[in-house]
Order: sequence, then C-alpha cells, then structure tokens
Amino acid sequence: DIQMTQSPSSLSASVGDRVTITCRASQDINTFLAWFQQKPGQAPKSLIYGASRLQSGVPSKFSGSGSGTDFTLTINSLQPEDFATYYCHQYDSTPYTFGQGTNLEI
Amino acid sequence: QVQLQQWGAGLLKPSETLSLTCAVYGGSFSGYYWHWIRQSPGKGLEWIGEINHGGTTNYNPSLKNRVNILIDTSKKWFSLTLTAVTAADTAVYYCARGWDFQVWGQGTTVTVS
Repeated sequence: DIQMTQSPSSLSASVGDRVTITCRASQDINTFLAWFQQKPGQAPKSLIYGASRLQSGVPSKFSGSGSGTDFTLTINSLQPEDFATYYCHQYDSTPYTFGQGTNLEI
Repeated sequence: QVQLQQWGAGLLKPSETLSLTCAVYGGSFSGYYWHWIRQSPGKGLEWIGEINHGGTTNYNPSLKNRVNILIDTSKKWFSLTLTAVTAADTAVYYCARGWDFQVWGQGTTVTVS
C-alpha cells in the first residue's frame, strides 16, 4: 500500500494568516493526489484534485502543488470557516489511501 | 448538481452483516467509479472498495474476504455489504463518486456492539 504522511498533524494559526500543509507519498503517484476539508460532524469536502486543480466552487485562496512524492496545500488569508481538518488522498493505485489529517486550529 | 444519499442500519451485533445503500441524484451515473469509505477515530479514513457502471469491482485487501459492492443501474444505486462485523468495524461509512472522491454522501454511523 502507498503510505501518505501529512505534516504537521496540527497547526495553530490566526485569521488572515497563510498556512501550508505537506503530504508525502511513499512512492511516486504522479499527480494523482486530492485534498479534502472536513469539519466536525460533516462529510469531507473535496478541494483539489490532480494535485493542483481546484474543484468547482472552491475559492482560489486554496491552492495545491507538487508531483511525484511531495505535495503541498496552501491556504491564503485564513478565515474562521477555514479552521478544520485537512486530508490528502492518493488515487494512483488501489488500495487508495489517505493521510492522517492536519487539524488547523485558531 | 450531483447528490449522494445513503442509508442503512446503524446498530449491529458482532457477527452480523452490515448493509448500506447509496443513491445518486443528478449528474451522470455511468463513466464513474463509485466508492465506499469509512472513518473511525482509531484508523482514520479507510477506502473500502469501488464499483463502476459495468459492475467491475476493486476491494481493499484488508477487507476483501468480507466485503461485497453491488450496483443497480436502473435505480442509480450502489450498495455495500460487510459480513461478520466486529467492534473494529464501528465507523462512519461514506459513499463517494470518482477516484478523486469529488462528491460524498452524508455519512452513516455504524456501531457494532
């Protein structure tokens, strides 16, 4: 199985900050990587696919980059609604796997 | 706009069979793989398996002997069964569309006790 390692596991930030979350794959996954946001009691929401492509309706403050094994999610100008848990997910090969999550808190 | 609506029993006893169904409203049903994913505090997010419009399936080897995913193209439903459940199968179960999991169901909490 491809292991996905996210860092940091938790992150404290303030409104207006810019933050970056990283995700590393245990083997080359090209750009078959997605990022999700999850708030307590809700299903995950897709933000980015193909490592850098924004899902429809997702604000441009979210951006993704990377290919191969190293990826980043950047969130600009944090707003209160952005504080949530973020996950990466590889869909290069089955079994598809997820990072352990990054809890972004105020 | 595509929506996934899922349902199924939420409380099971050990050794029983988990059964969930996910209905697809709006959008195309063919041309995608449809997935089941679960989330538990101990194991995080775990992919269970997928099925396409033609019925081709792939399962997580960790569950392969106990899981079955079926599709009903006439009703635009797909379903999950997981046999011989234990407490370790307690989780929130989600259905989702596409390899990038672009769209998710609302989740079903399943407790085995």
